[in-house]
Amino acid sequence: NAGVTQTPKFQVLKTGQSMTLQCAQDMNHEYMSWYRQDPGMGLRLIHYSVGAGITDQGEVPNGYNVSRSTTEDFPLRLLSAAPSQTSVYFCASSPPVGGGGELFFGEGSRLTVL
Amino acid sequence: GDSVTQMEGPVTLSEEAFLTINCTYTATGYPSLFWYVQYPGEGLQLLLKATKADDKGSNKGFEATYRKETTSFHLEKGSVQVSDSAVYFCALRVKRGAQKLVFGQGTRLTINP
Repeated sequence: NAGVTQTPKFQVLKTGQSMTLQCAQDMNHEYMSWYRQDPGMGLRLIHYSVGAGITDQGEVPNGYNVSRSTTEDFPLRLLSAAPSQTSVYFCASSPPVGGGGELFFGEGSRLTVL
Repeated sequence: GDSVTQMEGPVTLSEEAFLTINCTYTATGYPSLFWYVQYPGEGLQLLLKATKADDKGSNKGFEATYRKETTSFHLEKGSVQVSDSAVYFCALRVKRGAQKLVFGQGTRLTINP
């Protein structure tokens, strides 16, 4: 009963490096999203997708890229990491709107950019 | 735009104390409201929700009532336990968009035995 799986759980990068945070869900959810969590700021939406082949920007999209080639996977790419991207990242998925609106979260990926 | 404001934390209580965590919101229309809980080292999980005015969500002894007149969704529990120590997030769903949730800043709760 995997739910939403994120990898890696921890990562340290140097400024300017690139990396991809992986997210996979096995619940056949159409909606997937990425949030970042920073102290005192709650969760802020980075990008989201309403289905395979469709993505859109959230509140804080700059410096991040996403794609959605399958229903199951929604990777988040950092193109050139900056210290301001040090954060905890959460992937979440949800069934269609009629499903009540609950988001199912992964366990998070803690990223440190030096 | 849509926003959620929670009471500042951290909150520290003794076991069996009464808990209230305040949450107010600003939204266009009538959003659905949620409380999520994040235990140490874990992702967020849904605690309770309410989808229309005067609805009461409840779970694990926690309750919250959707008050349209005061645009509030305060979280309450009559007798807290050490195991309730966590970060609590209030959130609203923007109905007109996708399944996007707007979160408050979170309130860290610590319960001492």
